[in-house]
Amino acid sequence: GAGVSQSPSNKVTEKGKDVELRCDPISGHTALYWYRQSLGQGLEFLIYFQGNSAPDKSGLPSDRFSAERTGGSVSTLTIQRTQQEDSAVYLCASNRDRRNTEAFFGQGTRLTVV
Amino acid sequence: GEDVEQSLFLSVREGDSSVINCTYTDSSSTYLYWYKQEPGAGLQLLTYIFSNMDMKQDQRLTVLLNKKDKHLSLRIADTQTGDSAIYFCAESPNYGGSQGNLIFGKGTKLSVKP
Repeated sequence: GAGVSQSPSNKVTEKGKDVELRCDPISGHTALYWYRQSLGQGLEFLIYFQGNSAPDKSGLPSDRFSAERTGGSVSTLTIQRTQQEDSAVYLCASNRDRRNTEAFFGQGTRLTVV
Repeated sequence: GEDVEQSLFLSVREGDSSVINCTYTDSSSTYLYWYKQEPGAGLQLLTYIFSNMDMKQDQRLTVLLNKKDKHLSLRIADTQTGDSAIYFCAESPNYGGSQGNLIFGKGTKLSVKP
């Protein structure tokens, strides 16, 4: 596609349920990032994929969070047993390669845990 | 550790210049970025500067980099109401010759009054 696509755009879930957020990066982009933006907060790094290298998971806040990237393209961020503090906008970005100067962001998925 | 700091709010009058400041901590960062986020929208790259540059000008935008003090600023000349948004400073630490994830500040909310 022309840009980074994220789905769903909005998700309301009950506390304790699992959710999956999807990111379709720009075709050919080898780097993919997930960030979380909470109300009034900056962007919190979650995880970074670069090509076939092992992902940098250093930003995942707990073991309830996981992400995978299949075939070097689509990525899924999974949050298990959601908590109210997980409510945020989850942003995905992709970059042509690790030396490229511009990361392109999707519109985000707004997750609300009730 | 890695940290990017910026003031949270800035208010200016239409036609004035806006200066948004940022400090970062990782001297290995090869690139430093300014992103813009309009209400309800994703992040858009405004401009970036390579770490061996002191200044970069792009139309109404001027980026100044003081590498010694790890200080980055964004100047918007002739600020318009359409410039009202949140501006994020970001660094990309260099790990062994390759860029890692983007680290963002909390964002500066620019309000432009007519």
